[in-house]
Amino acid sequence: DAMVIQNPRYQVTQFGKPVTLSCSQTLNHNVMYWYQQKSSQAPKLLFHYYDKDFNNEADTPDNFQSRRPNTSFCFLDIRSPGLGDAAMYLCATSRGRLSLADTQYFGPGTRLTVL
Amino acid sequence: QKEVEQDPGPLSVPEGAIVSLNCTYSNSAFQYFMWYRQYSRKGPELLMYTYSSGNKEDGRFTAQVDKSSKYISLFIRDSQPSDSATYLCARGGGNNNDMRFGAGTRLTVKP
Repeated sequence: DAMVIQNPRYQVTQFGKPVTLSCSQTLNHNVMYWYQQKSSQAPKLLFHYYDKDFNNEADTPDNFQSRRPNTSFCFLDIRSPGLGDAAMYLCATSRGRLSLADTQYFGPGTRLTVL
Repeated sequence: QKEVEQDPGPLSVPEGAIVSLNCTYSNSAFQYFMWYRQYSRKGPELLMYTYSSGNKEDGRFTAQVDKSSKYISLFIRDSQPSDSATYLCARGGGNNNDMRFGAGTRLTVKP
């Protein structure tokens, strides 16, 4: 059974056209993360929510925003996608803080293409 | 300098070979180290984690951390074609709940 679900799996958008990626989880985990992974590169953490507490990475562009309306759902909004934003976007969850070596569960990712 | 450096690969081995995957890290403040496996078009899945220095074994997989040299290793014994994937090392922990991944090594095990 899928525990971290991402929709859509593939998303095509036009340069500058806002796009929203969706993540939901059935694990009731407190923490949800968004990563950007470009081809042959490491996943790069964009931001994470600990419950409703939003934590933005210092180098995440302002073009990227996130919403977490409830425990189960988290959205990634890209306000004006550029060609450089084409990537795989991974959602992940964990029960608590990773300093406790808590397991992080990843979704299958959404591959974003920007035309 | 990237926080976690990983051998880029790709790495191709025959079935049954012992595979050695390696990473180095720069920040000695972190004590949790993980290995993730990522199949094509899938999200990463946690394979093993270790705390501080030492070895941890799980079936055909052994994770090793050497804090003195800041070196992380994953060994796969009796490798199988189903082990073909990208392997990502990561360091975790800290007060800000962040993780840093290596770029990943793509492994192919040929029958």
